[in-house]
Amino acid sequence: KAGVTQTPRYLIKTRGQQVTLSCSPISGHRSVSWYQQTPGQGLQFLFEYFSETQRNKGNFPGRFSGRQFSNSRSEMNVSTLELGDSALYLCASSLSRDTGELFFGEGSRLTVL
Amino acid sequence: AQKITQTQPGMFVQEKEAVTLDCTYDTSDPSYGLFWYKQPSSGEMIFLIYQGSYDQQNATEGRYSLNFQKARKSANLVISASQLGDSAMYFCAMRESREYGNKLVFGAGTILRVKS
Repeated sequence: KAGVTQTPRYLIKTRGQQVTLSCSPISGHRSVSWYQQTPGQGLQFLFEYFSETQRNKGNFPGRFSGRQFSNSRSEMNVSTLELGDSALYLCASSLSRDTGELFFGEGSRLTVL
Repeated sequence: AQKITQTQPGMFVQEKEAVTLDCTYDTSDPSYGLFWYKQPSSGEMIFLIYQGSYDQQNATEGRYSLNFQKARKSANLVISASQLGDSAMYFCAMRESREYGNKLVFGAGTILRVKS
């Protein structure tokens, strides 16, 4: 059974650019959530999608956005990149919204120069 | 106040010995879930174990068990018979029912190093 797949795995951008990250959940999983991991702030929740609707949002500026498609795949977008957006972005999927199992992908490592 | 506290920044354990990683949490919500994840240097977060606040028994998954002490608000991870491959960062996380869904709050993590 394939796990959570995130693309791209690594990317380098410059300040002011935008970036789109993709997440394919485990087959059958309908909930996708996103997290940002940095050395200074640790792991922080970005947002959660279920049935193509954003259900929860973390405390991030509007430059961070996302969406979910009918096949449960999800994308997140960061516009007007800042140096502080350099991070590992992790996607997690689960069957439902209150399950005890939440599976993560390997992450997309973004470097902003 | 921190919702999840992991007081051990780093731990060493001898191969084949057991180790306990500490986690305390803070919530007034009667319904919550507690998770432990392992993050090797590759970056992937590997799900280890889950404990619901209403679960009567401590969760176990193979060599992993969760020592759940509700009154003390602690959810320590016990790894038995440590292996070299257990060397990684370990995160404790909580989901509160008031938030619902898969919004987890993570602790700062504990780096575990297994010595041969």
